[in-house]
Amino acid sequence: QITLKESGPTLVKPTQTLTLTCTVSGFSLNNDRLGVSWLRQPPGKALEWLALIYWDDDKRYNPSLRSRLTITKDTSKNQVVLTMINMAPVDTATYFCAHSSGWYLDFWGQGTLVTVSS
Amino acid sequence: SYVLTQPPSMSVAPGETANIPCGGNNIGTDSVHWYQQRPGQAPVLVIYYDSDRPSGIPERFSGSNSGNTATLTISRVEAGDEADYYCQVWDSRSDHVVFGGGTKLTVL
Repeated sequence: QITLKESGPTLVKPTQTLTLTCTVSGFSLNNDRLGVSWLRQPPGKALEWLALIYWDDDKRYNPSLRSRLTITKDTSKNQVVLTMINMAPVDTATYFCAHSSGWYLDFWGQGTLVTVSS
Repeated sequence: SYVLTQPPSMSVAPGETANIPCGGNNIGTDSVHWYQQRPGQAPVLVIYYDSDRPSGIPERFSGSNSGNTATLTISRVEAGDEADYYCQVWDSRSDHVVFGGGTKLTVL
């Protein structure tokens, strides 16, 4: 059974760096052709894809946020980590991680709400 | 970058058919995936590669894709289908995931 769970701070201050962890189970981050994405959803708004890391450590980023994002994985801990620098109130959102074995996202975490406020 | 256009809202009576469109330039040449998101919950994949259904998704959910429009069809709509629906593609031109703006489906 594939599961993903997001963890990290619920509140960050403007200009701070956000670090979120996605802990996975039921699959290995080394599995061929597998990827894990991070996405977010501001309250009442649409989904926005942020970044993707593949089994072979190849990475892709949302072009509009690329300069602020870094995605990494620690296979031994079954974790995928997203860092986002220079947080602002507009970054307030529920952040999700999701598993993909193709060009789609077939398993999702429950999400974690991050509020950016001083 | 590639833009996917969805109507913000649609309404349908129980038992009727909902056809939710997703517009994009030559979207028929891409593979389209659809997600259902109920309030307060994470999205759930309901259609992948235009028309395939994951296990556990009712046969009432189907998809098609041609020209400039992909469509998610929900037959015999039930109250439990009330949710937001998002289309998604992999934009091979810029190598990243793109979502539509979502359609809120209301069951009357």
